[in-house]
Amino acid sequence: RKEVEQDPGPFNVPEGATVAFNCTYSNSASQSFFWYRQDCRKEPKLLMSVYSSGNEDGRFTAQLNRASQYISLLIRDSKLSDSATYLCVAMFSGGYNKLIFGAGTRLAVHP
Amino acid sequence: DAEITQSPRHKITETGRQVTLACHQTWNHNNMFWYRQDLGHGLRLIHYSYGVQDTNKGEVSDGYSVSRSNTEDLPLTLESAASSQTSVYFCASSSMGLAGYNEQFFGPGTRLTVL
Repeated sequence: RKEVEQDPGPFNVPEGATVAFNCTYSNSASQSFFWYRQDCRKEPKLLMSVYSSGNEDGRFTAQLNRASQYISLLIRDSKLSDSATYLCVAMFSGGYNKLIFGAGTRLAVHP
Repeated sequence: DAEITQSPRHKITETGRQVTLACHQTWNHNNMFWYRQDLGHGLRLIHYSYGVQDTNKGEVSDGYSVSRSNTEDLPLTLESAASSQTSVYFCASSSMGLAGYNEQFFGPGTRLTVL
């Protein structure tokens, strides 16, 4: 079983839609969590960190449920520019700055 | 502007050849990382370094080596390239933090094909 698992998609949604991605992790010792965004054939870039209390950054909301070992990302009012692959990432205790990446969920926003 | 660069961006080589991929960062970051990315897998850590003369194996280090002789560079060497090493390789760097996480900045990637 992979340490970080995501639905690969693709999620095809119209502009303006709300879309949610889920991610599960297997190692309960995981310390911190992040969502990265990766455009086609480009490098990953940090989208946002994920906190237990949930956090919001504009149209993006991230949520962490430690009891269920589950992370989510909600995108409201989808834009064409949101089309990308979203990578769920965990950092495990004892792994200082070492990240475990999910395989990614692909989002395609169409007009 | 500070940045992280990789070269070459594309490389085709033959099985058995030694290949070195370059990674150079100008942020003066202590931490540097090499990942590979394959379809169906997330980025997987190959090697990492927390400073000059420090190198550590990641989860998929077999067949790869790194050396860190200065802060700016962490070259990745494939000792004897195999077709299974055909992949996209990303280098990343981050600053030395305390207990918390410091964002990793990624280079543009090197697409390596081993024939």
